[in-house]
Amino acid sequence: KNQVEQSPQSLIILEGKNCTLQCNYTVSPFSNLRWYKQDTGRGPVSLTIMTFSENTKSNGRYTATLDADTKQSSLHITASQLSDSASYICVVSDRGSTLGRLYFGRGTQLTVWP
Amino acid sequence: EADIYQTPRYLVIGTGKKITLECSQTMGHDKMYWYQQDPGMELHLIHYSYGVNSTEKGDLSSESTVSRIRTEHFPLTLESARPSHTSQYLCASSEPAGETQYFGPGTRLLVL
Repeated sequence: KNQVEQSPQSLIILEGKNCTLQCNYTVSPFSNLRWYKQDTGRGPVSLTIMTFSENTKSNGRYTATLDADTKQSSLHITASQLSDSASYICVVSDRGSTLGRLYFGRGTQLTVWP
Repeated sequence: EADIYQTPRYLVIGTGKKITLECSQTMGHDKMYWYQQDPGMELHLIHYSYGVNSTEKGDLSSESTVSRIRTEHFPLTLESARPSHTSQYLCASSEPAGETQYFGPGTRLLVL
């Protein structure tokens, strides 16, 4: 069964601090991995997307890494802000579907305190 | 900001009622999706569409139905709502390559 596991389930950090969120997956064959940010009461918004050949990608203060050999990804947030409080969802797409079927993790709930 | 809209944003109804959740997008995307998400849980695909007159069931069995008469519109209908249908329903769309899905704000449904 294809699975996407995220850790930690929840995380509280102080404003200005850095943090790293983890994602392990077993989806095969692998096409790409995305990190989404989902604010409370809103739909997910894409932060980064990485294919098999990419091992790092940045979007402002967000930097995602991918190790396709160990099937692990991380999302590093630098100099956190209150607006970073959200759920961060790891999403993996398989290569075997024309639909681009997505497999979702349960997310890491990040809370940034002032 | 994606141009994909969902109404209503919140809905509280009684058991047995028929409801339709609206989803529309102005990006001209052919592919559209409906997901169900419970608090703290992953999104589950319940319906998708490749384009006009195309509808398919997703990974999670759902008693809801969908239609795709126009490219921009993908409504979801529950003929007889039950408390077990209480959840958040997210609509999404993507370009033909389907690399990134753009999500609407969601509809939070509570069935009493």
